[in-house]
Amino acid sequence: GAGVSQTPSNKVTEKGKYVELRCDPISGHTALYWYRQSLGQGPEFLIYFQGTGAADDSGLPNDRFFAVRPEGSVSTLKIQRTERGDSAVYLCASSTHSLADEGSYEQFFGPGTRLTVL
Amino acid sequence: DQQVKQNSPSLSVQEGRISILNCDYTNSMFDYFLWYKKYPAEGPTFLISISSIKDKNEDGRFTVFLNKSAKHLSLHIVPSQPGDSAVYFCAASAGAGGSEKLVFGKGTKLTVNP
Repeated sequence: GAGVSQTPSNKVTEKGKYVELRCDPISGHTALYWYRQSLGQGPEFLIYFQGTGAADDSGLPNDRFFAVRPEGSVSTLKIQRTERGDSAVYLCASSTHSLADEGSYEQFFGPGTRLTVL
Repeated sequence: DQQVKQNSPSLSVQEGRISILNCDYTNSMFDYFLWYKKYPAEGPTFLISISSIKDKNEDGRFTVFLNKSAKHLSLHIVPSQPGDSAVYFCAASAGAGGSEKLVFGKGTKLTVNP
């Protein structure tokens, strides 16, 4: 079956512009996560959705960052007024984990979107 | 401050020998630990996990050991193969009753030489 897909694979933008990054999770996965990975670092948590709602957005660095998942499937990460420090690989993951069971915490990752802010 | 630490940025081993990757954590609330493997230009791929109620979990050539009192876990790969060459990330979660986010270490680059 299809894995997590992310578009675009690469995005180059200018400082101050607005960008949208898209994530298509594995079909049927209720949980969706966004992380970002800077050079030489591990992935850093941004936000987690359970269904349509953001269950934990504590990792969003500031109010320039916003994410939605209106129908509980595809998610879009939106970054306003981009800054050079936003340059990173943005990773999306999905899982079947739900708060109702103690099942696997395995998160399946997409290939990421490499964002470069000039 | 880093809650999950991988203090060795790189490790080089010979094919057929054992690879041991180490990870330390500071948050006592972590109750689930995972290892991910990452190739360049790809997303991390799940390798193996362990719950805090266990001290060992084995899957083929991969074994993860957890020492809760020392807040330390390790990944053993035996025998190591050239295809194992990748960056390995240790991750932890305080998922039971709490947030589902994963906290990652910085990774260890493993090179397995033929």
